[in-house]
Amino acid sequence: GAVVSQHPSRVICKSGTSVKIECRSLDFQATTMFWYRQFPKQSLMLMATSNEGSKATYEQGVEKDKFLINHASLTLSTLTVTSAHPEDSSFYICSAGVGGPNLNEQFFGPGTRLTVL
Amino acid sequence: AQSVTQLGSHVSVSEGALVLLRCNYSSSVPPYLFWYVQYPNQGLQLLLKYTSAATLVKGINGFEAEFKKSETSFHLTKPSAHMSDAAEYFCAVSGGGYNKLIFGAGTRLAVHP
Repeated sequence: GAVVSQHPSRVICKSGTSVKIECRSLDFQATTMFWYRQFPKQSLMLMATSNEGSKATYEQGVEKDKFLINHASLTLSTLTVTSAHPEDSSFYICSAGVGGPNLNEQFFGPGTRLTVL
Repeated sequence: AQSVTQLGSHVSVSEGALVLLRCNYSSSVPPYLFWYVQYPNQGLQLLLKYTSAATLVKGINGFEAEFKKSETSFHLTKPSAHMSDAAEYFCAVSGGGYNKLIFGAGTRLAVHP
C-alpha cells in the first residue's frame, strides 16, 4: 500500500514550451502533497506544499507563476512548468502525506526527469 | 528554523563492514528525524524515523539510528554492509509530523567487495 506514482517519468521539451507532471496517490487519499526539485548529485529542495482544494504554498524563491500547482482531488496533484528554459531541467519529485495537521506519513513518487533543450 | 548537516558526501566501505553515516540537526522545536534512501533515478524510500519515542530506532534492511539530543545527532548505522546498500542516503528533519521536511545534502554510500 501507500504507492505514489508520477507521470511522465521522463520528458524532453523545447525551450518555451510548458510541461505538466502528474502525481497520484494510488491507494490512499492524500491530504497534502509536496513538490521537490533535485539537481544532479544534490539534495531535495521543497518547492511547494499543496492541500486539496486550496492554493499551494510556495517556498521562498520559487516562482508561483512559473511552477503552477493544482491539487484538484485527494489523489491527484499536478505541477506545470510554464515556458520552460534549460535551467528548469531537473529531477522533480512529489510526495503525498496522510494524517491531519501533523502528517503521520509522507510517501514519495519515483520522480520525473525534465530536460529542456 | 531547522537544518541538517550530513558529514561526508561520500562514504566507502567493504562488504561486511560497519556502515556509519553521520547526521547532525538544528531545530528550535522538538524534532522529528528521518533517514531516506534513494537509488538512481528513483524516489525516496523511508528507512526509519524518530518521533520522540524510543531514542534507538530500528528501520528496514538492518539499519538503525540513535537520537542523541545532547549531541544533536541522528547517525545511521548498519553492522554489516551489503552490496545492495550502495545508494544515496538523506537525513531529514521536521518540526513535527511530515509537514515540512528539510533534507541534508546527502551521503553517497559505496560498497566494494
